[in-house]
Amino acid sequence: DSGVTQTPKHLITATGQRVTLRCSPRSGDLSVYWYQQSLDQGLQFLIQYYNGEERAKGNILERFSAQQFPDLHSELNLSSLELGDSALYFCASSVAGNAVNEQFFGPGTRLTVL
Amino acid sequence: AQSVTQLDSHVSVSEGTPVLLRCNYSSSYSPSLFWYVQHPNKGLQLLLKYTSAATLVKGINGFEAEFKKSETSFHLTKPSAHMSDAAEYFCVVTHTGGFKTIFGAGTRLFVKA
Repeated sequence: DSGVTQTPKHLITATGQRVTLRCSPRSGDLSVYWYQQSLDQGLQFLIQYYNGEERAKGNILERFSAQQFPDLHSELNLSSLELGDSALYFCASSVAGNAVNEQFFGPGTRLTVL
Repeated sequence: AQSVTQLDSHVSVSEGTPVLLRCNYSSSYSPSLFWYVQHPNKGLQLLLKYTSAATLVKGINGFEAEFKKSETSFHLTKPSAHMSDAAEYFCVVTHTGGFKTIFGAGTRLFVKA
């Protein structure tokens, strides 16, 4: 158990809908990272937050947004969902904001868009 | 710019034989390199990392990797495979002062009894 929690574990929704994925980092970790894992794209870095502020952006679509709250949990919002958004979404946390720190991964949220 | 290439999408070994998973990287900076493992239906777990200290890095579960700057490689090895090593392995590059993490496409390791 990495200490990172993600909810929900599974999510099934329809095209055009909006969903919110939640992540709680390990106690003491200030950084939260979001990743998307799909069969065709592999593991893609989406976005990183550090202590409430956006730190780095990867291949995140404009339909997606994220935020980190004062208690350091983070939410990833996915809107106008398309079939191609079906994937496993991972959250990871690390103690500091620099990417050289070890990241601890949550178990993931499996999103299915029908 | 940074990139990472895992040279094999699948590797199959017999239990008790050596494991070699190959990774080449490209980085405009002094890189930091990682290997993560993902077991089926699980999150990723760090195996080992290189951050400009010793070039031979030892990790968990008997894995090790050697940083070779001249070859821009960071191959993962293990002397003797165990059935529990069957998983997907990701090579990752970033750099000191950097924020983006670049994952390789992954290598799926199969271990035959």
